[in-house]
Amino acid sequence: EIVMTQSPATLSMSPGERATLSCRASQGVGSNLAWYQQKPGQAPRLLMYHASTRATGIPARFSGSGSGTEFTLTISSLQSEDFAVYYCQQYNNWPPWTFGQGTKVEIK
Amino acid sequence: EVHLVESGGVVVQPGGSLRLSCAASGFTFDDYAMHWVRQAPGKGLEWLSVITWDAGSTYYTDSVKGRFTVSRDNSKNSVYLQMNSLRDEDTALYYCAKGAASFIVAAGLDYWGQGTLVTVSS
Repeated sequence: EIVMTQSPATLSMSPGERATLSCRASQGVGSNLAWYQQKPGQAPRLLMYHASTRATGIPARFSGSGSGTEFTLTISSLQSEDFAVYYCQQYNNWPPWTFGQGTKVEIK
Repeated sequence: EVHLVESGGVVVQPGGSLRLSCAASGFTFDDYAMHWVRQAPGKGLEWLSVITWDAGSTYYTDSVKGRFTVSRDNSKNSVYLQMNSLRDEDTALYYCAKGAASFIVAAGLDYWGQGTLVTVSS
């Protein structure tokens, strides 16, 4: 089973700042990686797939990069609605599809 | 517009059984794999199971293999999760989610329901 490790666990940021979230896979997953955003009381929402492709309706301030074992989600300028928990997920070696433990982006 | 609506979550005793349902609309249901994912209170996401578009293949995570069974009825645009031998640690919000690519299993999950809460407690 591929283990996905996200860092940091919590990111304390101010609106307007640039946020960088990391996700590492225990073995290579190619570009078969997705990012999700989850706000309190809501279901997860797909942000990115194939590591760097924005899902439908996702603003351009979200970008993804990486391949193999190292991935990054960048939010170029944090808006109030971006404070949430973010999960990465690999879908290269399955089953299982595996999620990281999440990074919480909180208001500083 | 894609909609996924889960139902069936209740309080059940350890060792009990439960069947969750997920009703889908807004897309060609029988073109897509469907997944179940759960989230224990205050915890992260745990993928549980997937069923291919034609129900030809199913896959499970080890913690539920042999206890949970996924199925679908394409005539009803619905997917199900039969849960047997429930344990305290199965307490969670259960989501169904749609595979992001038609006729491809290896994809992300592009639409999620709002979840149904299963509580296993005596």
